[in-house]
Amino acid sequence: EVQLVESGGNLVQPGGSLRLSCAASGFTFTYYWMTWVRQAPGKGLEWVANIKQDGSEKYYVDSVKGRFTISRDNAKNSLYLQMNSLRAEDTAVYYCARGSYGGVYWGQGTLVTVSS
Amino acid sequence: EIVLTQSPGTLSLSPGERATLSCRASQSVSSSYLGWYQQKPGQAPRLLIYGASSRATGIPDRFSGSGSGTDFTLTISRLEPEDFAVYYCQQYSSSPYTFGQGTKLEIK
Repeated sequence: EVQLVESGGNLVQPGGSLRLSCAASGFTFTYYWMTWVRQAPGKGLEWVANIKQDGSEKYYVDSVKGRFTISRDNAKNSLYLQMNSLRAEDTAVYYCARGSYGGVYWGQGTLVTVSS
Repeated sequence: EIVLTQSPGTLSLSPGERATLSCRASQSVSSSYLGWYQQKPGQAPRLLIYGASSRATGIPDRFSGSGSGTDFTLTISRLEPEDFAVYYCQQYSSSPYTFGQGTKLEIK
């Protein structure tokens, strides 16, 4: 059974940093692109970033470029999102998903709240 | 960036009725790389349709997708009580892989 479990969400002050993790199981992690998607409270979905199987290609939405870094550790079957210089508008549930855009398999999400 | 505009914003229908949801792209979505998702409160999105018209595994055949280029449609032939939710389209033709703003399907 495919499982994606996010962790690391928390309350953080504006300008702060946070690292999200996504533990993957039930499939061969190295076969797939992986993606982060977020959803602000009461709002729609926003694709954030994705990363190729070997980490050699990474793409970001403009609003997070230069502040967020997506990475993966294939030995640990884990996906990460390092978030720096956080802003109030980054407040959202962050989902990891298998594939380059979203697709079938998603985690349950982890909540990031940016507030003073 | 490809902007997706969904209409209507809210659709009020009764169980048993037919629902037609629209998704229009600001530029052509190549190879019909267009998907549709259903989301219920407190849940992750669920993929219904990929490639504009292919149903994902386990999705009932009352859900169908159509369209190409810039105009896409999700049709639910006969609404069941569990179909009332928010629906999003997403293009994965050109990065960033944008979503529409959503259509809320509510019970009339």
